[in-house]
Amino acid sequence: SQTIHQWPATLVQPVGSPLSLECTVEGTSNPNLYWYRQAAGRGLQLLFYSIGIGQISSEVPQNLSASRPQDRQFILSSKKLLLSDSGFYLCAWKKGATNSPLHFGNGTRLTVT
Amino acid sequence: DQQVKQNSPSLSVQEGRISILNCDYTNSMFDYFLWYKKYPAEGPTFLISISSIKDKNEDGRFTVFLNKSAKHLSLHIVPSQPGDSAVYFCATTTSGTYKYIFGTGTRLKVLA
Repeated sequence: SQTIHQWPATLVQPVGSPLSLECTVEGTSNPNLYWYRQAAGRGLQLLFYSIGIGQISSEVPQNLSASRPQDRQFILSSKKLLLSDSGFYLCAWKKGATNSPLHFGNGTRLTVT
Repeated sequence: DQQVKQNSPSLSVQEGRISILNCDYTNSMFDYFLWYKKYPAEGPTFLISISSIKDKNEDGRFTVFLNKSAKHLSLHIVPSQPGDSAVYFCATTTSGTYKYIFGTGTRLKVLA
């Protein structure tokens, strides 16, 4: 069966510090990968998605970036965090090239102080 | 622009009764629709989906209805149970785009 791992579970970072969140999927190959953010009291905002290694589509032109160095690894980064980057970050995967459900990790609670 | 709207931020229902959660969308190109359940500090869990070629899909206590002419989606939970208390998100996509867009969520509280 497929599993998705996302870490860390919680993170407190000062403004201006860098960020790296990692997500890996097991038990499948060539998944579509996604990063979402849920701000306090808000819905799920799509940040990035990837349909293959090295391919990244950005939905939010902010100070965040994503990379997919391996087939089942998706990384969310920032060089300098802003207060507004605080939120609940979720990684998700789905089977490629089909209409199928997204399956989410347990999320990372990021607090920028 | 909010392409997917859940206009009720919260809903309270008595245990054993029906819960009806609603979702409206604006883009007629959306052709695959999903419902998710989310507990605090956890990732959303997939519940049920429907393709635009259907108008109803059922899975146990959960039924999703799709009204394409009204661009409206609903989730019925019968009977409601206290464990159903969570935030419910609708989501949708257009085939081939890979982009899944979520609504803002409805917090359901099932009262014992």
